Amino acid sequence: QVQLQESGPGLVKPSQTLSLTCTVSGGSISSGGYYWSWIRQHPGKGLEWIGYIYYSGSTYYNPSLKSRVTISVDTSKNQFSLKLSSVTAADTAVYYCARAPDGRPFDYWGQGTLVTVSS
Amino acid sequence: EIVMTQSPATLSVSPGERATLSCRASQSVSSNLAWYQQKPGQAPRLLIYGASTRATGIPARFSGSGSGTEFTLTISSLQSEDFAVYYCQQYNNWPPRWTFGQGTKVEIK
Repeated sequence: QVQLQESGPGLVKPSQTLSLTCTVSGGSISSGGYYWSWIRQHPGKGLEWIGYIYYSGSTYYNPSLKSRVTISVDTSKNQFSLKLSSVTAADTAVYYCARAPDGRPFDYWGQGTLVTVSS
Repeated sequence: EIVMTQSPATLSVSPGERATLSCRASQSVSSNLAWYQQKPGQAPRLLIYGASTRATGIPARFSGSGSGTEFTLTISSLQSEDFAVYYCQQYNNWPPRWTFGQGTKVEIK
């Protein structure tokens, strides 16, 4: 059974960089055919896809966030990470990591972590 | 960007009744449409993919239909545990650029 778990600071100051890590267990992040993604949900709102890293290492980001987002992978630790720079209060949200098989929707999700941007 | 529009925003239904939720895409997504259920404080759970295929462990009272731009999620007889928010999501782009609908809240009437 694949499990994903987000970790990182719950409070980030405005203009700083938000950094989160997703640890994957029950499966190898470097095995073929999966998109490892970050998705966020503003309080009381809907879901916004942030971006993904493919098992091959290629990345793709939501154009609305592209200039501020970096997603990377550490296969030795079976983790992938999100960095979102120059954050504002509008980046306050629950951040989820999730897995999507090639050609399929998200089948496994982390429990989510609330990140608040505030001084 | 493919815009997904769900209706209604809120659906009030009595337990045991049928619920019908709609999702419209701004352009054709073929059958690359998924439905998720989200309860307060929880991550979304995949219900339906390929517009009509139930995910593993999903009860038969959940069914999906549609293709192209118009999709429907039907819950045939609402149970207490089905009161939640439901999202549709398209995954038709290449490279993938997934988008979600804004959600439909199914509440107890």
